[in-house]
Amino acid sequence: EAEVAQSPRYKITEKSQAVAFWCDPISGHATLYWYRQILGQGPELLVQFQDESVVDDSQLPKDRFSAERLKGVDSTLKIQPAELGDSAMYLCASSLDSVGQFFGPGTRLTVL
Amino acid sequence: AQSVTQLDSQVPVFEEAPVELRCNYSSSVSVYLFWYVQYPNQGLQLLLKYLSGSTLVKGINGFEAEFNKSQTSFHLRKPSVHISDTAEYFCAVRNQAGTALIFGKGTTLSVSS
Repeated sequence: EAEVAQSPRYKITEKSQAVAFWCDPISGHATLYWYRQILGQGPELLVQFQDESVVDDSQLPKDRFSAERLKGVDSTLKIQPAELGDSAMYLCASSLDSVGQFFGPGTRLTVL
Repeated sequence: AQSVTQLDSQVPVFEEAPVELRCNYSSSVSVYLFWYVQYPNQGLQLLLKYLSGSTLVKGINGFEAEFNKSQTSFHLRKPSVHISDTAEYFCAVRNQAGTALIFGKGTTLSVSS
C-alpha cells in the first residue's frame, strides 16, 4: 500500500539552528500539505501545494519558515532560525482529489 | 469562518462498552466532514468521511458517524470498543477556501478492561 514518507522521524535541535524536514507524497498525488501539530492540539495547515505551486501559505511564518516543492513531487520544509515555540509534530499529507488526504508518520521536532 | 469543536477532551470507557465522541462544526457553506484517528507518535489515519448523500457514514474498525445538518453535528460512534481503540480522535471540516482541513482539538479515547 502506498504511503506518504517523511524524514527524519525525530529531530532535536538547539534554538537559533536551522532544521529541514522532507516529505515524499504518494505517487501521482498533485496536492501536498504541511501541517503543524502542537502537543494536545489538532493539526493546523502551514502550507498547501498544487504541483509545484503554493496554493495557501497564509499561516506560514514566513520570517523563519520556508517550503518548496521544486519538481512537484517531494517537498522540503525549513525553519531558520528555530525557536522554542516551534517544538511540535510536523505532518505531511497528500491527496489525489479534494476529499481524501493521506498523512505521513510525521517529524517530531524538539527545540532546546 | 469555519471551525470545529470537539466537546469532550477525554472519554474513558470500559472494553465492550459503546462510545460516542461528539463533534460540532460551523460553516456557512456545504461541508465535507472527516474523522481521523492518531495513535501515539504516528500520523493520522482516516476513519470515515461525509461528502453528501446518506447521513449515516460507516468507516473502518467498526466506527460510524451521523451527519446532522440542523444541529451542525457529526458525532462518531462505536457499539463496542476494544482496548486497541485507545487513541486520539480528530474531527475535521474541509477548508472553505481550498481543500485543506480544519481540525478540532481532539478527543482522547481511553479503553480499559
